[in-house]
Amino acid sequence: DSGVTQTPKHLITATGQRVTLRCSPRSGDLSVYWYQQSLDQGLQFLIQYYNGEERAKGNILERFSAQQFPDLHSELNLSSLELGDSALYFCASSLGLAGEQFFGPGTRLTVL
Amino acid sequence: GEDVEQSLFLSVREGDSSVINCTYTDSSSTYLYWYKQEPGAGLQLLTYIFSNMDMKQDQRLTVLLNKKDKHLSLRIADTQTGDSAIYFCAESHRGSSNTGKLIFGQGTTLQVKP
Repeated sequence: DSGVTQTPKHLITATGQRVTLRCSPRSGDLSVYWYQQSLDQGLQFLIQYYNGEERAKGNILERFSAQQFPDLHSELNLSSLELGDSALYFCASSLGLAGEQFFGPGTRLTVL
Repeated sequence: GEDVEQSLFLSVREGDSSVINCTYTDSSSTYLYWYKQEPGAGLQLLTYIFSNMDMKQDQRLTVLLNKKDKHLSLRIADTQTGDSAIYFCAESHRGSSNTGKLIFGQGTTLQVKP
């Protein structure tokens, strides 16, 4: 158990809908990262937050947004969902701006 | 640019050593990581090496880094069936923006035959 929690574990929804994925980092970690894992793209970095502020952006679509709250948990919002958004979404956390990242169990999103 | 390459599949017999290889392109990488993913599970951090090191050993795991060739390897001694999983190599470099984003390889599926 990495100490990073993610909810829900599975999510099934329809095209055009909006969903919110939630992540709680390990106790004491200030950075939260979001990654997407799909068969065709592999593991792709989406976005990083550090102590409530956006720190780095990767291949994140404009339809996706994230935030980190004062209690350091983070949410990833995916809107206008398309079939191609079906993937495993991982959250990871680290103590500081960089360094060892510990991953949560992931949220499997299926868009029908 | 940022790119990490791994071979896709490796099959070994139980008790043998496994060597999983990885190449990367970013010479400014500061940390290189190995993660393990079992079916239906998240990524487990196995070990990492700082870019100014050549080797790191941690129980059955040995990481070798050749900076000149930008080549990283993970050796698993006495491989067990429980080691069957997908192994990901990842690099990070802080860069000017001081961020820890990871760039992952495609993953190597390790199959351990009894």
